[in-house]
Amino acid sequence: DAGVTQSPTHLIKTRGQQVTLRCSPISGHKSVSWYQQVLGQGPQFIFQYYEKEERGRGNFPDRFSARQFPNYSSELNVNALLLGDSALYLCASSSRSGQGAGEQYFGPGTRLTVT
Amino acid sequence: QQQVKQSPQSLIVQKGGISIINCAYENTAFDYFPWYQQFPGKGPALLIAIRPDVSEKKEGRFTISFNKSAKQFSLHIMDSQPGDSATYFCAARGHGQNFVFGPGTRLSVLP
Repeated sequence: DAGVTQSPTHLIKTRGQQVTLRCSPISGHKSVSWYQQVLGQGPQFIFQYYEKEERGRGNFPDRFSARQFPNYSSELNVNALLLGDSALYLCASSSRSGQGAGEQYFGPGTRLTVT
Repeated sequence: QQQVKQSPQSLIVQKGGISIINCAYENTAFDYFPWYQQFPGKGPALLIAIRPDVSEKKEGRFTISFNKSAKQFSLHIMDSQPGDSATYFCAARGHGQNFVFGPGTRLSVLP
C-alpha cells in the first residue's frame, strides 16, 4: 500500500510569492495534519483536518491556510512568503481524530526554500 | 505547558551499546506518546508508541519506559547499530490530533 505522498518534493520561491503544497493520505485515512519543520528542530503543528473540517490550528499567522477535499487529500497554502518560511513541510495522516485516534504517519515532506 | 523537553541533544554510542533518550512533559492531558526516527531528507517514521496506562512497551530492540507520576518517558535502543544513526523525536498528543514534538536527539552509532 502507498504511504502518505506529497508534492512537489522541492520548491524554490521568492519573498512575497504564494505557494501551494499537496498531500494525499494513506488510503482509508480521513485525517490529515500539516507540520512545519525548520532545519535542526522538531516538527511544529500547523493544521489538522478531519472529514474536510478544520479540527485544530497551531500558532501560525493567517498567511497559512489549508483545506481538505472529498477524497481526503489536502492542500496547504502560504501567502506573502517570508524568508523564515523556508522549511520542510510535512503532511501526516491518521485514520481518526481526537481521543483514541490511531497512529499518525508522515509523508516525505516538501522542502520549501524562500529566497 | 505544551512543551516536550528532550535530552540529550546529541548522543554517540558504540556499536552494540545501549542508546537512551529522555523526554519530559507538563501537560497531563497528553494521551499518547510516540517516538519517531528521521533520516536526513526524509519524513519522520513512527518507531514505537505508548499510552499513559502502560509503564513499558518493547518492540524488538526498542523499548519505551513511561513514568506517569514523573511525567517522563524514555526510549532505549538495545544493541545499537550504525544503521540506527538518525535523529529521534519524542512527541505527545494533545487536543485532537495535535502532536507536540521534542527538539530531537541526533544519534551516531560508531562501527
